Amino acid sequence: SYELTQAPSVSVSPGQTARITCSGDSLSKQYAYWYQQKPGQAPVLVISKDNERPSGIPERFSGSISGTTVTLTISGVQAEDEADYYCQSSDNSETYVIFGGGTKLTVL
Amino acid sequence: EVQLVESGGGLVKPGGSLRLSCAASGFTFSRYHMNWVRQAPGKGLNWVSSISTRSTKVYYADSVKGRFTISRDNAKSSLYLQMNSLRAEDTAVYYCARFDDSGSFDQWGPGTLVTVSS
Repeated sequence: SYELTQAPSVSVSPGQTARITCSGDSLSKQYAYWYQQKPGQAPVLVISKDNERPSGIPERFSGSISGTTVTLTISGVQAEDEADYYCQSSDNSETYVIFGGGTKLTVL
Repeated sequence: EVQLVESGGGLVKPGGSLRLSCAASGFTFSRYHMNWVRQAPGKGLNWVSSISTRSTKVYYADSVKGRFTISRDNAKSSLYLQMNSLRAEDTAVYYCARFDDSGSFDQWGPGTLVTVSS
């Protein structure tokens, strides 16, 4: 089965740069998307198609890809960025949608 | 304003059935593929099912295949999920989510909680 692997947690101090990675074999062929989810709320799309920022998402959020690993970078982290972050993609047949296990970002 | 609002969640016994609904507004519902995504308490997101604009293509996660049925009524701008033979592991918040042209879930509802317990 196809899987996306994320580290369970990342911690950074305010103003620093947070990097959250997601690895999966199909990421070299399928786009990746990133979602931010705060407690008790629905997820919000923050990065589309590996590195596109939707309207309304702050410029400090960016995405990149290298081989089979995609990275969500948050530059100048703010306290309000503390949340769970999930990557999402699909299998090569585009039949199944897959989410990574999620990374909890803690702002110290 | 785009809105997705789920309803129909609740407490159900193992082996029971439940039908979830998602009412869409603020956009042309018939032009978008739609999905159900769930999240067990304290756990991550899990995709459940997708349906194409005209219901010609439906897809299911292996964990629900044969038990859940996704459907839509474009005239009513509504999405549904019929859940049968429910198990304790189906306990989760169920989200209705819109697929945009880029392939992302660009709009989500607030979710509805389904609890399967005796």
